[in-house]
Amino acid sequence: EVQLVESGGDVVQPGGSLRISCVASGFTFDTYSMNWIRQAPGKGLEWISYISSGSSTIYYADSVKGRFTVSRDNAKNSVYLQMNSLMAEDTAVYYCVRRNALLDYWGQGTLVTVSS
Amino acid sequence: DVVVTQSPLSLPVTLGQPASISCRSGQSLVHSDGDTYLNWFLQRPGQSPRRLIYKVSNRDSGVPDRFSGSGSGTDFTLKISRVEAEDVGVYYCMQGTHWPLTFGGGTKVEI
Repeated sequence: EVQLVESGGDVVQPGGSLRISCVASGFTFDTYSMNWIRQAPGKGLEWISYISSGSSTIYYADSVKGRFTVSRDNAKNSVYLQMNSLMAEDTAVYYCVRRNALLDYWGQGTLVTVSS
Repeated sequence: DVVVTQSPLSLPVTLGQPASISCRSGQSLVHSDGDTYLNWFLQRPGQSPRRLIYKVSNRDSGVPDRFSGSGSGTDFTLKISRVEAEDVGVYYCMQGTHWPLTFGGGTKVEI
């Protein structure tokens, strides 16, 4: 069974930093690309980052470019999102999602709240 | 960015009756590989989104056959042949042909 489990969400002050993680199981992690998608409270879905299976290709949404960094450790079946210079608008549930154009499996999400 | 527009925003439905959601993109979703990456997701209250349909019309495993997807180019439709109580939630279409990936604004289906 494919499972994606996010963690690391927290309350952070504006301008602060946070790293969230996603651990995958139930499939051969190093053969799949991964994405981060977020959902602000009561709002829709926003794709924010993509990383290919071998980390050679990385994309970011304009809204997070220069502030967020995606990475993965295939030996640990994990993907990470380092978030710097956080703003109130970054408050959201962050989902780890498998596969680029197909988004076939989603984690349960981790809540990041940016507030003073 | 490719704008994806869903309608309606809200869809009151009657159990056992059909329902339909429209999704339109600002440009063709036909990829250079020949596939069309238009997917549909359902987010039930308090849950993560779950994919229902991929590449326009392919139902995911475990998705009831009352759900069907159709369309081409820039116009797509999700149909529920007979709505059941478990179908309530917010439906999103999403295009995966062009970067960045973009979602429609969602359609809230309620009984």
